[in-house]
Amino acid sequence: DGGITQSPKYLFRKEGQNVTLSCEQNLNHDAMYWYRQDPGQGLRLIYYSQIVNDFQKGDIAEGYSVSREKKESFPLTVTSAQKNPTAFYLCASSIGGSYSNQPQHFGDGTRLSIL
Amino acid sequence: LAKTTQPISMDSYEGQEVNITCSHNNIATNDYITWYQQFPSQGPRFIIQGYKTKVTNEVASLFIPADRKSSTLSLPRVSLSDTAVYYCLVGPDYKLSFGAGTTVTVRA
Repeated sequence: DGGITQSPKYLFRKEGQNVTLSCEQNLNHDAMYWYRQDPGQGLRLIYYSQIVNDFQKGDIAEGYSVSREKKESFPLTVTSAQKNPTAFYLCASSIGGSYSNQPQHFGDGTRLSIL
Repeated sequence: LAKTTQPISMDSYEGQEVNITCSHNNIATNDYITWYQQFPSQGPRFIIQGYKTKVTNEVASLFIPADRKSSTLSLPRVSLSDTAVYYCLVGPDYKLSFGAGTTVTVRA
């Protein structure tokens, strides 16, 4: 059954710690995305990657880092530089390439909280 | 990047048709219009996509006038389980901007 898997579902971070959120897809999609959602608000784009070994900053990249070493994986690291990391994080993928209007498929999210 | 405007909230009753209109005055020639649905603590789910005229699938219809400056998502005969946030998006997949969406509340 194809889809996007985000883990863990809930994550807690201590002040000053880096934490990495996992995102794996088996849809054979080229493009992958990370969004942040705060309560009662829409999604804001953190980073996106249109192809392996390449990624671009979104609207709120400060305090975050990503890597795209494999087509199926796009982990997000929330660094200690991110002052307000408590949020719901969503990973998505789309066919990408020349098919730039294809819908995005989303995972079920990771909820990050500060201890 | 085309900006979209949609109502913040809408209320309806079970069995009624719900129509949500989205404005996108500066839509580009190559842009498609895509609608997503999101339940609390879940990722958005694709509902429907269109370029012009009318598109229909098993869950919704999308009406797009000739000037493409707006679009209307139509949900026929809603049920309580259709209570969710609905997002209207315009543009290529790598530049989508999810605003606050429209919170649709369906009452018994």
